[in-house]
Amino acid sequence: GESVGLHLPTLSVQEGDNSIINCAYSNSASDYFIWYKQESGKGPQFIIDIRSNMDKRQGQRVTVLLNKTVKHLSLQIAATQPGDSAVYFCAENRPDTGRRALTFGSGTRLQVQP
Amino acid sequence: ETGVTQTPRHLVMGMTNKKSLKCEQHLGHNAMYWYKQSAKKPLELMFVYNFKEQTENNSVPSRFSPECPNSSHLFLHLHTLQPEDSALYLCASSQDPAGAGETQYFGPGTRLLVL
Repeated sequence: GESVGLHLPTLSVQEGDNSIINCAYSNSASDYFIWYKQESGKGPQFIIDIRSNMDKRQGQRVTVLLNKTVKHLSLQIAATQPGDSAVYFCAENRPDTGRRALTFGSGTRLQVQP
Repeated sequence: ETGVTQTPRHLVMGMTNKKSLKCEQHLGHNAMYWYKQSAKKPLELMFVYNFKEQTENNSVPSRFSPECPNSSHLFLHLHTLQPEDSALYLCASSQDPAGAGETQYFGPGTRLLVL
């Protein structure tokens, strides 16, 4: 099965609150992680990435945290807006498999309540 | 827009039809990918092309036939599909294959319905 998974299938937050979306991975050899956002009717959009030699990376309103000890990845969205409503996927690069492509999780749906 | 375009955006076909999906990337990337996205399932990798050469076929049935004439264009030829093949088919590209830890950029997808 997939080594990348998500703790919650759906997350509902109030507009203006911070959102945290979690992702677990099982392989310590994974060296690169990406968060994607997919809105209805669209393809996944790159949000932010992080390499395994880092613990934290910040973008505009988004922060990705990587905890290699417990193999956990999270995406934090500050001041969540209605436009943030979408499905969020984490993906990992696993050099140990020899696969020349990313492995994706099943996604978490974020619903922002006005 | 991500620089990856796909046509058609929607396609309805019968099980005996033959159709093709097209993907074009305007990013100067060297690797291109086909993914299948079904409801409530993770993205499933189908094929990977690197510098026009197929480097991965993820046990995809032969009724799906990819073609990569150059690094900017990728096709997926469809024939004698089954209703369970109905899904969103996504094309992606990256500078180099993801084995090097590369971000993939996705197109909007083709929503396929097989009747």
